[in-house]
Amino acid sequence: LAKTTQPISMDSYEGQEVNITCSHNNIATNDYITWYQQFPSQGPRFIIQGYKTKVTNEVASLFIPADRKSSTLSLPRVSLSDTAVYYCLVGDESRGGGGADGLTFGKGTHLIIQP
Amino acid sequence: EAGVVQSPRYKIIEKKQPVAFWCNPISGHNTLYWYLQNLGQGPELLIRYENEEAVDDSQLPKDRFSAERLKGVDSTLKIQPAELGDSAVYLCASSLWRGLNNEQFFGPGTRLTVL
Repeated sequence: LAKTTQPISMDSYEGQEVNITCSHNNIATNDYITWYQQFPSQGPRFIIQGYKTKVTNEVASLFIPADRKSSTLSLPRVSLSDTAVYYCLVGDESRGGGGADGLTFGKGTHLIIQP
Repeated sequence: EAGVVQSPRYKIIEKKQPVAFWCNPISGHNTLYWYLQNLGQGPELLIRYENEEAVDDSQLPKDRFSAERLKGVDSTLKIQPAELGDSAVYLCASSLWRGLNNEQFFGPGTRLTVL
């Protein structure tokens, strides 16, 4: 079971870059790393997914070191609207199909952005 | 394109009463998920459907919870009888196929309060 560990909460200020690190020491060869964002009273929303090295989209970047035992979600120049809970998930298609392991959200990281 | 639709958005019932939640996934999505989310916690998977087949219901309390996805499209989650501890947000999500590497699209959820 590829359990993930994230900080419970983080604070930052508008315009800053925020990095949220997720530890997943037991990540398996076929596992992907996926991040979701959740605002109050809404369902989670997909942010980014990666397997190795670096992935970037219009919202965030995901950095994955060579050993893949951790990953870092990077949010550039955050604004107040980035205040949300961020979840790191690790799993693959086979586990997602055979059981609930790959669909464990955990408690996430509550990011608070201040003016 | 319409997202995942859930109804009702809010439901208040007395304990021991039955309750049902409805979900209409994104058109063309084969996989449908029901999650439960308690306050301050991440979503927890209850059941996953591949078309009309429930392929993962290990986390569903089958003594009081039931679900169905007739014709492989929309789905209903039922609780009978409801208990105080069932108060939570019930989220529905869908994806093209199973597996963590397939983006899940979440609905807004149904907030259940059991008195």
